[in-house]
Amino acid sequence: EVKLVESGGGLVQPGGSLRLSCGGSGFNFSTYWMSWVRQAPGKGLEWVANIKRDESEKYYVDSVEGRFTISRDNAKNSLYLQMSGLRAEDTAVYYCTTSGNDFWGPYISWGQGTLVTVSS
Amino acid sequence: SYVLTQPPSVSVAPGETARITCGGQNVDRKNVHWYQQKPGQAPALVMRFDDDRPSGIPDRLSGSNSGNTATLAISRAEAGDEADYYCQVRDDNNDHWVFGGGTKLTVL
Repeated sequence: EVKLVESGGGLVQPGGSLRLSCGGSGFNFSTYWMSWVRQAPGKGLEWVANIKRDESEKYYVDSVEGRFTISRDNAKNSLYLQMSGLRAEDTAVYYCTTSGNDFWGPYISWGQGTLVTVSS
Repeated sequence: SYVLTQPPSVSVAPGETARITCGGQNVDRKNVHWYQQKPGQAPALVMRFDDDRPSGIPDRLSGSNSGNTATLAISRAEAGDEADYYCQVRDDNNDHWVFGGGTKLTVL
């Protein structure tokens, strides 16, 4: 069974930085494409970033381009999201998700999410 | 950028059929995926590639995609179907994912 567990969320001041982590188990992590999706309180889903299995391609939503960096460590079965220049509008639950072996396939599994709150 | 439009809410009587729409320009040229999200839970895939049900999803759920509208239909609606539903497509112009705004399904 594919299992994804996020960590690293918390309260951060505007302009600050935070790194989210996602641990994967129950599957061959190094062969799966990974993504981050967020959901602001009471709002809908927003795709944030994608990363290919060998990190050769990364994609970002325009609103985080240049501020967020997605990366992975296949040896540790881990996905990361380094966030800097945080803004109030980045406040959201951040979900780790995967489309399996299909980079542009549907998200077949989701973690439970980690809450990031940007506030002074 | 590509935009998907969903009605904010849909209501259905128990046992009837609910239809949740997802509008987008020539959306029939894209693969549409659907997710269900219950309160306090992460989303879960309920329909992929327009009309393919993942394992474990009941056949009461069906999908279609034609012209500018994709539809998720839930027949014989029951209380357990109450949730938010989101459609998703890939924006081929910039290799970005796009979600619809979500539809809250209420089973009255």
